[in-house]
Amino acid sequence: DAKTTQPPSMDCAEGRAANLPCNHSTISGNEYVYWYRQIHSQGPQYIIHGLKNNETNEMASLIITEDRKSSTLILPHATLRDTAVYYCIVKYVHNNNDMRFGAGTRLTVKP
Amino acid sequence: DAGVIQSPRHEVTEMGQEVTLRCKPISGHDYLFWYRQTMMRGLELLIYFNNNVPIDDSGMPEDRFSAKMPNASFSTLKIQPSEPRDSAVYFCASSFTSEKLFFGSGTQLSVL
Repeated sequence: DAKTTQPPSMDCAEGRAANLPCNHSTISGNEYVYWYRQIHSQGPQYIIHGLKNNETNEMASLIITEDRKSSTLILPHATLRDTAVYYCIVKYVHNNNDMRFGAGTRLTVKP
Repeated sequence: DAGVIQSPRHEVTEMGQEVTLRCKPISGHDYLFWYRQTMMRGLELLIYFNNNVPIDDSGMPEDRFSAKMPNASFSTLKIQPSEPRDSAVYFCASSFTSEKLFFGSGTQLSVL
């Protein structure tokens, strides 16, 4: 699987949009981009995933660049409860069905 | 559905003792994953199953660790004998067709 690069930490003001970047410059054509988050002392939680097109659900939006070498997770109106470690993962669905987590980005939402 | 259920929530044991962690996946899910999380190493994949069959156990640290999935609704991770360096939070996760993973609340293991 392609490796990802994320900033180790970010801050965001409550009520503002949180934009979390992820670089995956070696991603291959069949690899999806997944985002999970882990709130302190809980198990990771799925947020969103996508292949090429931008995706949106009730939690967040995922913007993937046209060359697919990077993506951004957007939390449109961050709350204090969004403080967590956010993991960006690329995964090849059919031949490699595991999910390996890197260090992630620690997002702190401040009042 | 109650989600992925892990037990016990906390386990404190002495070095050399056998430890068994348990996981009940979400009904209908065909993949089950065991992870270990420590401050030093982050979240590590230990082993995963597909339809109760172990697919990749390359993350299992050593022979002291073993995992089984006797049926679709139950899995165990056993450490025998346990060592202090095994202290960590152990997570179980399940998924349908390896799409999004659903994690349990984890077992906090302390080996004294």
